[in-house]
Amino acid sequence: DAGITQSPRHKVTETGTPVTLRCHQTENHRYMYWYRQDPGHGLRLIHYSYGVKDTDKGEVSDGYSVSRSKTEDFLLTLESATSSQTSVYFCAIKAGGEGQPQHFGDGTRLSIL
Amino acid sequence: EDKVVQSPLSLVVHEGDTVTLNCSYEVTNFRSLLWYKQEKKAPTFLFMLTSSGIEKKSGRLSSILDKKELFSILNITATQTGDSAIYLCAPRGTYDKVIFGPGTSLSVIP
Repeated sequence: DAGITQSPRHKVTETGTPVTLRCHQTENHRYMYWYRQDPGHGLRLIHYSYGVKDTDKGEVSDGYSVSRSKTEDFLLTLESATSSQTSVYFCAIKAGGEGQPQHFGDGTRLSIL
Repeated sequence: EDKVVQSPLSLVVHEGDTVTLNCSYEVTNFRSLLWYKQEKKAPTFLFMLTSSGIEKKSGRLSSILDKKELFSILNITATQTGDSAIYLCAPRGTYDKVIFGPGTSLSVIP
């Protein structure tokens, strides 16, 4: 168990509503990541953080924003959800230093109707 | 553009069979390659490979990297139903960026 908790685990919402997903870690790791996983695409990076208030975009960042005000929490926000954002969202953490692997949370299944 | 190709995409075998999963990649400033196993929930880390020709082993699983030919293989011997999962290959490149392949879905039937 990598000490990562994602919430909620499941969510169904309507198009146009704001949605926030939370990732909480107990490992005090520097790096945190948000991915989405869709059939045929594998895991794709949305945003990542390399420290408190330090974030950067991944390959599929459009329509998403993130915030990290504390080491242990990394929030992903969909400002106005669209059906194309229906997916499974995974948070990952990584200790600092070269060559450390990422460890994943159990995911949030998000459905946007 | 960074690219990861895994083959086969899907595989069904019987318990006791040996399987080989393939991963080829094109990644800028390659640093290492990771393998993950994903069952119903989170991907779990299996191996990290950094040098060519050095086999990593964990029980019935083993993996090797060829940095010249840009590929890696994951072998599973004497497969069990608990090996049924999606296996993800993930090379790491510039700025520690990890690119995940689409995965190989392995089903082991009794």
